[in-house]
Amino acid sequence: GQQVMQIPQYQHVQEGEDFTTYCNSSTTLSNIQWYKQRPGGHPVFLIQLVKSGEVKKQKRLTFQFGEAKKNSSLHITATQTTDVGTYFCAGPHNQGGKLIFGQGTELSVKP
Amino acid sequence: GAVVSQHPSWVICKSGTSVKIECRSLDFQATTMFWYRQFPKQSLMLMATSNEGSKATYEQGVEKDKFLINHASLTLSTLTVTSAHPEDSSFYICSARSQDSKNIQYFGAGTRLSVL
Repeated sequence: GQQVMQIPQYQHVQEGEDFTTYCNSSTTLSNIQWYKQRPGGHPVFLIQLVKSGEVKKQKRLTFQFGEAKKNSSLHITATQTTDVGTYFCAGPHNQGGKLIFGQGTELSVKP
Repeated sequence: GAVVSQHPSWVICKSGTSVKIECRSLDFQATTMFWYRQFPKQSLMLMATSNEGSKATYEQGVEKDKFLINHASLTLSTLTVTSAHPEDSSFYICSARSQDSKNIQYFGAGTRLSVL
């Protein structure tokens, strides 16, 4: 079946270091979305990418959608302790309106 | 905008009892809502898609009679865990899909269910 795979599962960084999580889909996606879930919290929508090769920035976060629309990445520059949480990518299922979520990347930042 | 309220946030119940969880879209109408279950350190597992005015669509392996879903209005969906057992203890999260064509989901705060 349709799958969205995300790596790494965990990432531990020192504050100030960069962080990247990668997302790969088994099928071409019409769009890809990124969510952040803080420890003990719920997923919060960050961004949606629609166009092939699209790059969007939100302050220190850079999101990229691959040319083939099958992969995506989230890069955080100079991590801060407020970046701690699990980052999920998600793509629409090719049948119906549900989203297929990646396994998530848990980021911990050591001050 | 796009606020989803989920209640209760935390519930403890005895084995064999039923628990109802409510999910409300506060500032938009949601014809489609989703119910997820999340285990510690794991991703979101979709349980069912809740459609206003029609029967929910359950994912494979999810017991329809165990997890009753009702979407009676454009702003409210409920999940009832019937005859709860300790293995049903989990974090349940609902989401509502945006009204536009972007298919963005807005999540409730989640409900932590502990069955004793």
